[in-house]
Amino acid sequence: DQQVKQNSPSLSVQEGRISILNCDYTNSMFDYFLWYKKYPAEGPTFLISISSIKDKNEDGRFTVFLNKSAKHLSLHIVPSQPGDSAVYFCAASLSGGYNKLIFGAGTRLAVHP
Amino acid sequence: NAGVTQTPKFQVLKTGQSMTLQCAQDMNHEYMSWYRQDPGMGLRLIHYSVGAGITDQGEVPNGYNVSRSTTEDFPLRLLSAAPSQTSVYFCASRPPTAGKDEQYFGPGTRLTVT
Repeated sequence: DQQVKQNSPSLSVQEGRISILNCDYTNSMFDYFLWYKKYPAEGPTFLISISSIKDKNEDGRFTVFLNKSAKHLSLHIVPSQPGDSAVYFCAASLSGGYNKLIFGAGTRLAVHP
Repeated sequence: NAGVTQTPKFQVLKTGQSMTLQCAQDMNHEYMSWYRQDPGMGLRLIHYSVGAGITDQGEVPNGYNVSRSTTEDFPLRLLSAAPSQTSVYFCASRPPTAGKDEQYFGPGTRLTVT
């Protein structure tokens, strides 16, 4: 029973264009969402997050959108660069105590020239 | 700061062997955790700790033990390795800042159990 789903295992985008990575969740109690980026042979690194009280958060080329009614969030990267090629994980957490993270399976983004 | 360090980077075990995966952080973070990453599954929480002397189970704790005697170190023990424990293991830490779930991950340990 996957509570966080990333239904696209891979995405290929041309350099300079927009990359849109999607994530769906099933637990309406999740109140914080994060995106992590992972290069091969490295640990994931935090990219951007959004609280459930917001519907958008922006950080430079990265914007995360949250649609609570649809239980859906997306990460937009504009413009995409070859260095953005990595695996992107969506994660969600519940407040209280340790705030355990539930991760999606990841989407592999390839940005080509 | 070295951040979160993990040793070894690679390990091959035979079924039934035991070993300890090491994790250390030098950021004085209270919270530490262990995840495993399997193909098509994302990262799943094994055990976590909210401070020295305090540990608890995550989603997939069976077959693993942890202890937290210092703030810096959080070792993960496999008591009797099984092929199902073949995975990449990540240790992570974070400060207990309210509402902020940003975690700092180590580079991972790739474990193969034959």
